[in-house]
Amino acid sequence: AQSVTQLDSHVSVSEGTPVLLRCNYSSSYSPSLFWYVQHPNKGLQLLLKYTSAATLVKGINGFEAEFKKSETSFHLTKPSAHMSDAAEYFCVVSGLGNAGGTSYGKLTFGQGTILTVHP
Amino acid sequence: GAVVSQHPSRVICKSGTSVKIECRSLDFQATTMFWYRQFPKKSLMLMATSNEGSKATYEQGVEKDKFLINHASLTLSTLTVTSAHPEDSSFYICSARALSQWTYNEQFFGPGTRLTVL
Repeated sequence: AQSVTQLDSHVSVSEGTPVLLRCNYSSSYSPSLFWYVQHPNKGLQLLLKYTSAATLVKGINGFEAEFKKSETSFHLTKPSAHMSDAAEYFCVVSGLGNAGGTSYGKLTFGQGTILTVHP
Repeated sequence: GAVVSQHPSRVICKSGTSVKIECRSLDFQATTMFWYRQFPKKSLMLMATSNEGSKATYEQGVEKDKFLINHASLTLSTLTVTSAHPEDSSFYICSARALSQWTYNEQFFGPGTRLTVL
């Protein structure tokens, strides 16, 4: 079984300040982890992914995330927020395709974190 | 690369009618496509998984006779909402996965379809 918990439903920051969106996961198998961003009434855009290579993953638009197995965390960070970063962010876990079990081939989404950026 | 399109982006229909939503992978072959539903201010809920040329696998609680899924080719999957009712109004999002992405299950998402049933 696998699950994802996004610890904050809303995060508000000022433009130019750091962003931290927290995510904890649970997985019976070595997971793949993703962060997606969704702007209002739009589909999902992949920010970055962890697939068992480097634990510090760099993504698009200055975002990065660190996979910490001991803490079962995959927090998303950005050094300096921009107004265009305002959106909803989803942390997603997937069991590996060959891992089997009921989570086989499925993505499990966190509840989402709405990021607000103030001028 | 890895672009997924959906059509239509927005549809309004009368109660009792059927609506078809198309999902296409534009620049890769999608051996597996997924259909999600997203309620307002909620996360995505997986409805079904379809593999090209075979029947879709529906998640628990999803009515397969109401939400018909066809994955006739490696670039096209369709979701038909039959006898739509107002409670079917939602944002439907598809995703596609290439065979090469099977190991890590990276999926590419379409832009979504807003369905409103009057």
